Amino acid sequence: QVTLKESGPVLVKPTETLTLTCTVSGFSLSNARMGVSWIRQPPGKALEWLAHIFSNDEKSYSTSLKSRLTISKDTSKSQVVLTMTNMDPVDTATYYCARIRYSGYDYVNYYYYMDVWGKGTTVTVSS
Amino acid sequence: DIQMTQSPSSLSASVGDRVTITCQASQDISNYLNWYQQKPGKAPKLLIYDASNLETGVPSRFSGSGSGTDFTFTISSLQPEDIATYYCQQVTFGQGTRLEIK
Repeated sequence: QVTLKESGPVLVKPTETLTLTCTVSGFSLSNARMGVSWIRQPPGKALEWLAHIFSNDEKSYSTSLKSRLTISKDTSKSQVVLTMTNMDPVDTATYYCARIRYSGYDYVNYYYYMDVWGKGTTVTVSS
Repeated sequence: DIQMTQSPSSLSASVGDRVTITCQASQDISNYLNWYQQKPGKAPKLLIYDASNLETGVPSRFSGSGSGTDFTFTISSLQPEDIATYYCQQVTFGQGTRLEIK
């Protein structure tokens, strides 16, 4: 059974750095054509893709948040870590990680779908 | 980033109705378009991948079509349990369609 579980602080202060960990089971982060994506959802708002990392260590970030995000993986620990610097109250959201399954590539973009999701972790940014 | 434009933003329909949601990509994405269902307080669930492939275990009343930049998601006969918000996605997500029962 494939599962993903997000963990991290419930509350962070403005300007602090957020570190979230996604621990996966039932598959390996070295599996070809797979990876992990981070997505967030502010209260009452739409889903927002943040970043992804593939098994070959290929990474991509949301253009609007690229300067603040870093994604990495530790295959031996089955973990994917997302850091977001300079947190602001507008970053208050539920943060999800999801397994991604590779569909295709056109020399510019990787295309994929997210077939298994974690339950999410809620992060509040407040002083 | 590829931008996804989804419409309508909300929809009210009766049980048994045929429901259609559209999604437009900002560039040609071939058939690489996915649809998700999200119920309140829950994580999204994959329904359709690569435009028209039904995820395992998803009822056959859900379907998808399209290619290039224009895509359609259809529920052939709306059921009460289909009340949710639906999102299209290819890397980034559409704005979502909130589906309600009349």
